[in-house]
Amino acid sequence: EDKVVQSPLSLVVHEGDTVTLNCSYEVTNFRSLLWYKQEKKAPTFLFMLTSSGIEKKSGRLSSILDKKELFSILNITATQTGDSAIYLCAVEDSNYQLIWGAGTKLIIKP
Amino acid sequence: DGGITQSPKYLFRKEGQNVTLSCEQNLNHDAMYWYRQDPGQGLRLIYYSQIVNDFQKGDIAEGYSVSREKKESFPLTVTSAQKNPTAFYLCASSTHRGGANVLTFGAGSRLTVL
Repeated sequence: EDKVVQSPLSLVVHEGDTVTLNCSYEVTNFRSLLWYKQEKKAPTFLFMLTSSGIEKKSGRLSSILDKKELFSILNITATQTGDSAIYLCAVEDSNYQLIWGAGTKLIIKP
Repeated sequence: DGGITQSPKYLFRKEGQNVTLSCEQNLNHDAMYWYRQDPGQGLRLIYYSQIVNDFQKGDIAEGYSVSREKKESFPLTVTSAQKNPTAFYLCASSTHRGGANVLTFGAGSRLTVL
């Protein structure tokens, strides 16, 4: 059965810290891996990764995919209170179906 | 501005009552989805539709029904047959057209059954 596992499930850090969120997967016919940020209600798209070793970057956020070891990481440097959110990872298969992880709840303390 | 509108944002119902959650999009997306989100769990797919007048069951379709009479609209009915309907419901749309299935989400509807 296809599955996506995110770790940790929750994380509390102080403003200015760097965090690394993990997403591992076992999905037949992998097509892409996507990261979303859910602050209050609507998840918003962050990154899509399809190739190993190519870092995607947006400001203080970056992500990379390892298709050999079947995982991705999302890094956030110099965290701010506005980074507090649930970070969702999803893997898309060849039928465009998405398999979702449970999410990592990140809390940034001032 | 283009987007997805879900209504109502909050809904309270008694056990045994059917409720319908609205989802409207003006993004001209072909595909629309309904997900359920419970604390500590990933998003679980209820139903999806890739074209008007056609829809498919997701992983947890029992106790739910949908219709897709217009491209813009994909309402979800939570029936009395759904054993545990209290949850946060998210509607999404996408147009992958050969690319990745990047979803745009609505702000969600929180249903509480008393």
